[in-house]
Amino acid sequence: DAGITQSPRHKVTETGTPVTLRCHQTENHRYMYWYRQDPGHGLRLIHYSYGVKDTDKGEVSDGYSVSRSKTEDFLLTLESATSSQTSVYFCAISEELNTEAFFGQGTRLTVV
Amino acid sequence: AQTVTQSQPEMSVQEAETVTLSCTYDTSESDYYLFWYKQPPSRQMILVIRQEAYKQQNATENRFSVNFQKAAKSFSLKISDSQLGDAAMYFCAYRGLMAQGAQKLVFGQGTRLTINP
Repeated sequence: DAGITQSPRHKVTETGTPVTLRCHQTENHRYMYWYRQDPGHGLRLIHYSYGVKDTDKGEVSDGYSVSRSKTEDFLLTLESATSSQTSVYFCAISEELNTEAFFGQGTRLTVV
Repeated sequence: AQTVTQSQPEMSVQEAETVTLSCTYDTSESDYYLFWYKQPPSRQMILVIRQEAYKQQNATENRFSVNFQKAAKSFSLKISDSQLGDAAMYFCAYRGLMAQGAQKLVFGQGTRLTINP
């Protein structure tokens, strides 16, 4: 199994509070991604990174920011959580010549 | 923009029987990959099978095979000799490339497969 660890695995937070989710990899892969999974939508890309300090927006980036200060860590921040951000969040990694993306175990975030 | 559609929210099959899950996609790209992922209750995303668009031969992995119809933009998954452990949510996904070589995975809505003993 690819070495990807997401933390926390579960979190309940209140509307308006900041939340940071962490993705840590031990594979030294160049690319890292954050997706959210919602019923009826499958997984949708929030943000991705193609190197340290290099990030770009995905399909559903509003309300989210990311940072990557080290190859192994990719952080997803909700500056002010809203109920619409209640979801399961997945981190994924991929390498340049590899066709497969590897996924973390997911983080279930509930905003009340 | 690419889209992936799974028109069967739920499917069920008797153990040991064969089931086919449907997927259609839309793209203007000529070079891409297609995948089927399995998501059991543990939430882990598990790659089941992949298909390269330039290959005409359908991919096969043990009991899992695909019917890839490039002109029709169709990519169905056939599970033979269904087992109880096959019960899961199945996602069809399209892979293109973004700037800087990052992968762009576009997922369908998912099909929940139930195996009846």
